[in-house]
Amino acid sequence: GQQLNQSPQSMFIQEGEDVSMNCTSSSIFNTWLWYKQDPGEGPVLLIALYKAGELTSNGRLTAQFGITRKDSFLNISASIPSDVGIYFCAGQLGYGGSQGNLIFGKGTKLSVKP
Amino acid sequence: DAGVTQSPTHLIKTRGQQVTLRCSPKSGHDTVSWYQQALGQGPQFIFQYYEEEERQRGNFPDRFSGHQFPNYSSELNVNALLLGDSALYLCASSLGQGSAEAFFGQGTRLTVV
Repeated sequence: GQQLNQSPQSMFIQEGEDVSMNCTSSSIFNTWLWYKQDPGEGPVLLIALYKAGELTSNGRLTAQFGITRKDSFLNISASIPSDVGIYFCAGQLGYGGSQGNLIFGKGTKLSVKP
Repeated sequence: DAGVTQSPTHLIKTRGQQVTLRCSPKSGHDTVSWYQQALGQGPQFIFQYYEEEERQRGNFPDRFSGHQFPNYSSELNVNALLLGDSALYLCASSLGQGSAEAFFGQGTRLTVV
């Protein structure tokens, strides 16, 4: 089945640092989304992207829909302790029908530097 | 505005048993999708319900079935439970069958022993 390759798998952050992560696919997606999941909770939608090249911000988070439509990027500026968690990218191949479901990456785990 | 609610939050079942998980969508949403999330993995799509019918299905066996009620709430049923069915089961709701913006509940942690 379809797979999204998300990197890095994990990273450590120090408060105030900027963070970058990305997601790539062998398939073209119509929509890219980024979610954050805290332990014991469901994923929370952060940003949705609908158009190739689109750059969208949500506070300190900025995400981009890659020009090739096969990748997406998420940046977090000036990280704070509550940014810790697992970030998932998700893509949608089409709109409804047989392609309306979300395909998720394996996640990027953000932890605080000891 | 109530978000997506799932019940129960935790469940322990024995191999071979059957289980029913429940989901109430976010207010105003009419589409419910179910996902299975194994430990350390991203959610995997099980199926989607819209207008009380299963509209799309992922790569899951027939042991997994569901239902959507007229008030848009939904159930996920799993028969003949296997140890490998242990996972976090997530319900997501959205407005319209093709909408990508899915809002998730907190999940039901199912443990099969």
